[in-house]
Amino acid sequence: QKEVEQNSGPLSVPEGAIASLNCTYSDRGSQSFFWYRQYSGKSPELIMSIYSNGDKEDGRFTAQLNKASQYVSLLIRDSQPSDSATYLCAVITWGTSYGKLTFGQGTILTVHP
Amino acid sequence: DAGVIQSPRHEVTEMGQEVTLRCKPISGHDYLFWYRQTMMRGLELLIYFNNNVPIDDSGMPEDRFSAKMPNASFSTLKIQPSEPRDSAVYFCASSPDPQGETQYFGPGTRLLVL
Repeated sequence: QKEVEQNSGPLSVPEGAIASLNCTYSDRGSQSFFWYRQYSGKSPELIMSIYSNGDKEDGRFTAQLNKASQYVSLLIRDSQPSDSATYLCAVITWGTSYGKLTFGQGTILTVHP
Repeated sequence: DAGVIQSPRHEVTEMGQEVTLRCKPISGHDYLFWYRQTMMRGLELLIYFNNNVPIDDSGMPEDRFSAKMPNASFSTLKIQPSEPRDSAVYFCASSPDPQGETQYFGPGTRLLVL
């Protein structure tokens, strides 16, 4: 089982719709969770972080975390064509004495006009 | 701030040649990460440094890969000898955070090994 798994996609939604991106993780000790966005041919950039169970909202983006289910999601409301990108879920996983950021494979999102 | 700087941006080389990728992290960031990204394997952590010291190199694929960080403002990733399967985008990222929660990525080096 991969440490961080994302719904395979690609995901296509119409402009104005809600896009829902999902991610599960295997390390129950994980405490920190992130969503990075990567436009085609560009580098990843951090858009959301969440550390506690529940929802965290930032503009049109909402991150949701359920540690019991080992599940984290990203909702994008009022999707815009400019949201078309690959979204990477990332989780801090722990070795014996240090943590490191582990990325999922990414979900490609296309928002069509 | 100029952000993370990587060079070269593109590299085309022939199998067997040595390849050196370079990275300058954001000033003040104590953590530096090297990643490789391919369609098949996604974004993989190769190695990361804390205060110029390698902390985790378990992601380095094999002995052909080596990385150094001689000072706080410079790091290299070397592949010798290079093979076609090394073709990928190599990203360098830096972070002020202990586990690298907030990572700032460079533009990447697109490597093609023929």
